[in-house]
Amino acid sequence: GAVVSQHPSWVICKSGTSVKIECRSLDFQATTMFWYRQFPKQSLMLMATSNEGSKATYEQGVEKDKFLINHASLTLSTLTVTSAHPEDSSFYICSATELTGRGNAYEQYFGPGTRLTVT
Amino acid sequence: AQSVTQPDIHITVSEGASLELRCNYSYGATPYLFWYVQSPGQGLQLLLKYFSGDTLVQGIKGFEAEFKRSQSSFNLRKPSVHWSDAAEYFCAVARNDMRFGAGTRLTVKP
Repeated sequence: GAVVSQHPSWVICKSGTSVKIECRSLDFQATTMFWYRQFPKQSLMLMATSNEGSKATYEQGVEKDKFLINHASLTLSTLTVTSAHPEDSSFYICSATELTGRGNAYEQYFGPGTRLTVT
Repeated sequence: AQSVTQPDIHITVSEGASLELRCNYSYGATPYLFWYVQSPGQGLQLLLKYFSGDTLVQGIKGFEAEFKRSQSSFNLRKPSVHWSDAAEYFCAVARNDMRFGAGTRLTVKP
């Protein structure tokens, strides 16, 4: 249980275009979803936190107009990288916490990640 | 401010040798503690977690970790390392959000 999926697993796009990444909780309802960014050989950096039906809370230094987050339902959050540039190339990982039931409210379940390459 | 420190960027051990990866945290209250492993190009796999209770936690793949409140540490151990354990290991602390350490890359020598 507590499975989180991401789609696509990898994507290549041209500079200036936008790309959308989906994060889904498959077998539970997610109170909160998180988006992380990971550069090669580095740790995960939290980009933003989103609750269903609310605006996302972005970490300092993350451009909210560039990284659009939509959390339209308790099982789906999307990250759209707008006007992508090569420096946006990275590994993007989402996670979710469960609304009720098993586990701990602070435990996050992670998706497999999405590799974005901007050419 | 909350922080997680993994002092060792890279560790090399021989196959069959014991392993200890260090993790120290700075937090206002006792946080929830996690260890994850990540293979190249892959997502995170949870090895173990500590919320409360017994301070020695058993995880998957033969790993264990010990929470020491007095030292603000949560070190990961394995008595005998296998070549397949070579990966990046992340310690993380959580309350309302999760913060990760910088990671420790484990290389296993034959």
